[in-house]
Amino acid sequence: DGGITQSPKYLFRKEGQNVTLSCEQNLNHDAMYWYRQDPGQGLRLIYYSQIVNDFQKGDIAEGYSVSREKKESFPLTVTSAQKNPTAFYLCASSSYRAGTEAFFGQGTRLTVV
Amino acid sequence: AQTVTQSQPEMSVQEAETVTLSCTYDTSESDYYLFWYKQPPSRQMILVIRQEAYKQQNATENRFSVNFQKAAKSFSLKISDSQLGDAAMYFCAFMEFGNEKLTFGTGTRLTIIP
Repeated sequence: DGGITQSPKYLFRKEGQNVTLSCEQNLNHDAMYWYRQDPGQGLRLIYYSQIVNDFQKGDIAEGYSVSREKKESFPLTVTSAQKNPTAFYLCASSSYRAGTEAFFGQGTRLTVV
Repeated sequence: AQTVTQSQPEMSVQEAETVTLSCTYDTSESDYYLFWYKQPPSRQMILVIRQEAYKQQNATENRFSVNFQKAAKSFSLKISDSQLGDAAMYFCAFMEFGNEKLTFGTGTRLTIIP
């Protein structure tokens, strides 16, 4: 089945550590996205990528980094520079033709302990 | 920069009744796409309906329809014959044509009263 997979579902991190969230899609989509969702709030865009080896900052990129070495994969690293990383993270992908619906993974809940 | 505003943090409706969720957006572009997404308690995002800005006709998907007012930059979602399964967070989203950046509003939590 085609889809988008995020792992792990739950992640715990100690303060001061970097952590990487995985996002893989087998939909042959060109565009991929990372969003952060805080309790009772909307989705805020962290980074997005329209094509392999290229990505753009979203609205809240500080403290995060990404790579897009393969079309299928768009990992997100939450660095120690991110002061408040506890949140729900959603990855999405869409086809390069603008306007096609974005498909979402099931999310990763990151908690700093 | 594009912004999407949902002014109703929470809404409630009696089962089988009709409810309308509001969304406004700000853009200087003429070609774009608008979406409504549903996020149930499972937190899985599901596309409800999509509207292309160049189309004057309002999009409809079964019990879901939109009222797209381009000049007013308004994109409301109407849910008819509300069902218990419609209870969820609803997000309005904007995508500029030719740019894949997808921007969301803050969401409206919809409660269905049996």
